[in-house]
Amino acid sequence: EPEVTQTPSHQVTQMGQEVILRCVPISNHLYFYWYRQILGQKVEFLVSFYNNEISEKSEIFDDQFSVERPDGSNFTLKIRSTKLEDSAMYFCASTRGGSQPQHFGDGTRLSIL
Amino acid sequence: AQSVTQLDSQVPVFEEAPVELRCNYSSSVSVYLFWYVQYPNQGLQLLLKYLSGSTLVKGINGFEAEFNKSQTSFHLRKPSVHISDTAEYFCAVRGANAGGTSYGKLTFGQGTILTVHP
Repeated sequence: EPEVTQTPSHQVTQMGQEVILRCVPISNHLYFYWYRQILGQKVEFLVSFYNNEISEKSEIFDDQFSVERPDGSNFTLKIRSTKLEDSAMYFCASTRGGSQPQHFGDGTRLSIL
Repeated sequence: AQSVTQLDSQVPVFEEAPVELRCNYSSSVSVYLFWYVQYPNQGLQLLLKYLSGSTLVKGINGFEAEFNKSQTSFHLRKPSVHISDTAEYFCAVRGANAGGTSYGKLTFGQGTILTVHP
């Protein structure tokens, strides 16, 4: 069964540095998402992406965040200047759309030092 | 906007006992409902979903859930749990009309940690 894959599984970065989290959604999916889960808290929606543009974003998704689909397979989340509070598990998800459920990757654990 | 409340943060049970994990939601529009499971160091795996039709839905690993519109609930049940069911379970909701201003974002509950003891 096709899977959403995320790399790296764990990223350790110094505060203030830029970080790029990578995702390969399922190949015939059209809608892409990023969520994050701070330790001990809920899974929170960050951004959705469709037709090569952001379709919705949360209040968390401020100017330090950006997303890109640089080619036909990858979907990336960039954090420009990381803060301690960006430490979290980041999940990528994708779906074909309509009523189809979202499929999640295994996540990238981001640790900001 | 939607919100989800999972009433129990932790549920300990013994193996082969029945279990119910509770989920309540609020929404001003029709919704789709989901349960996901997260095993340690893994991503979110879909257990089951309610889209429409029969209010009792069956999922993987012997789990089922019942949609109750009047009580705005979507409780997850399993008649006999196994040690391998130990995991964190998340209830999630999204608006059913994803063609509008919402592109299908999921709103999650806080999660319930199910621990199955031998």
